[in-house]
Amino acid sequence: ETGVTQTPRHLVMGMTNKKSLKCEQHLGHNAMYWYKQSAKKPLELMFVYNFKEQTENNSVPSRFSPECPNSSHLFLHLHTLQPEDSALYLCASSQVRSHRGPHNEQFFGPGTRLTVL
Amino acid sequence: GDSVTQMEGPVTLSEEAFLTINCTYTATGYPSLFWYVQYPGEGLQLLLKATKADDKGSNKGFEATYRKETTSFHLEKGSVQVSDSAVYFCALSAPGKGAGSYQLTFGKGTKLSVIP
Repeated sequence: ETGVTQTPRHLVMGMTNKKSLKCEQHLGHNAMYWYKQSAKKPLELMFVYNFKEQTENNSVPSRFSPECPNSSHLFLHLHTLQPEDSALYLCASSQVRSHRGPHNEQFFGPGTRLTVL
Repeated sequence: GDSVTQMEGPVTLSEEAFLTINCTYTATGYPSLFWYVQYPGEGLQLLLKATKADDKGSNKGFEATYRKETTSFHLEKGSVQVSDSAVYFCALSAPGKGAGSYQLTFGKGTKLSVIP
């Protein structure tokens, strides 16, 4: 595997289900991200992990719970979601070097298309 | 806060036409600037980037120049192809809240359709 992989690619779940999205990066990066992409809004950053520690949580509802067990894996645990949570969930990774260095680009996975019934 | 504004789409062009997608930004400090492309059914791919004023990023015939004086990073291509049909996102990278963290702020995206 190369780059950033995400599983599953498609997920349909009811509002009472619990499911998890998985992301794995094969790039040796030290930061990972979850984004939400829905039809009517710009890309929304949800969570950021640097060196496995969560450094950003952009007011995401608690029904979304991230987990970063190591620098290569990132999970998004889902429970009691709402239909408006249906979207494409994108994972990304990057190598953060220093505050003063160039801001390195993020590499994205193909996304998980989530539908909440 | 930081923001990115890019031209509303959709944009429809004939093959071999000239493309410009405008992008302007608001940020404190000196952000890095990026163009990402998203083909149907796929995630975002980095198209090009520029990390300081007057830098020109280029890739696959696309170009964009970091203009600090006009806070702009317009995307251009001299002759588009049908395979360029995709959604294009302008983005900036600036320090986030956490130590050593960076955030990408995206524009809303511009959908480009190229017809034969």
